[in-house]
Amino acid sequence: EDKVVQSPLSLVVHEGDTVTLNCSYEVTNFRSLLWYKQEKKAPTFLFMLTSSGIEKKSGRLSSILDKKELFSILNITATQTGDSAIYLCAVSPRSGGSNYKLTFGKGTLLTVNP
Amino acid sequence: EPEVTQTPSHQVTQMGQEVILRCVPISNHLYFYWYRQILGQKVEFLVSFYNNEISEKSEIFDDQFSVERPDGSNFTLKIRSTKLEDSAMYFCASRKGLAGNEQYFGPGTRLTVT
Repeated sequence: EDKVVQSPLSLVVHEGDTVTLNCSYEVTNFRSLLWYKQEKKAPTFLFMLTSSGIEKKSGRLSSILDKKELFSILNITATQTGDSAIYLCAVSPRSGGSNYKLTFGKGTLLTVNP
Repeated sequence: EPEVTQTPSHQVTQMGQEVILRCVPISNHLYFYWYRQILGQKVEFLVSFYNNEISEKSEIFDDQFSVERPDGSNFTLKIRSTKLEDSAMYFCASRKGLAGNEQYFGPGTRLTVT
């Protein structure tokens, strides 16, 4: 069974801090790892990583994957109160066909205080 | 920017009643998914759908559940006889396919079974 473990489960920081969120995984026949931000309702897509060691970056957010050690990190620099959300990590196996179903972790609840 | 839409946003039903949750995926996407998130728990895969048929389903997706794409735009999830434990947030997601592997989620339908 595919498994995703995120840490920490929750984190409280002050505006301007830098945070690192962790995601480790076990999946049969790995295809990709995805990060989502969940505010009030829908998970919003952030990044998809398929290759080890290549950093994906979008503004203050960046992510990198280590396929040998089976983990990924999501970095947020100069945090703002608008970054407060649950950050979800999900993996997709290379299953038969092209289902790309996602297995999610429990998420990291990030609270950024002013 | 195109987005996945879902209706209703909140549905309250009595145990044993049938419910239909509706989704309009992004128009040029080919793969469709339903996930659910019980309050305080992980997002869980229910079913994937491609080319007018189910491509994969989880153990949760038993005979009480069905999906349909009745026309070129809607994608529905039906629960025939709801149980208390079906109370959850149900998310629809779609994926472009080919080069686009990330899944985009709708805002969800909160189903409350009383």
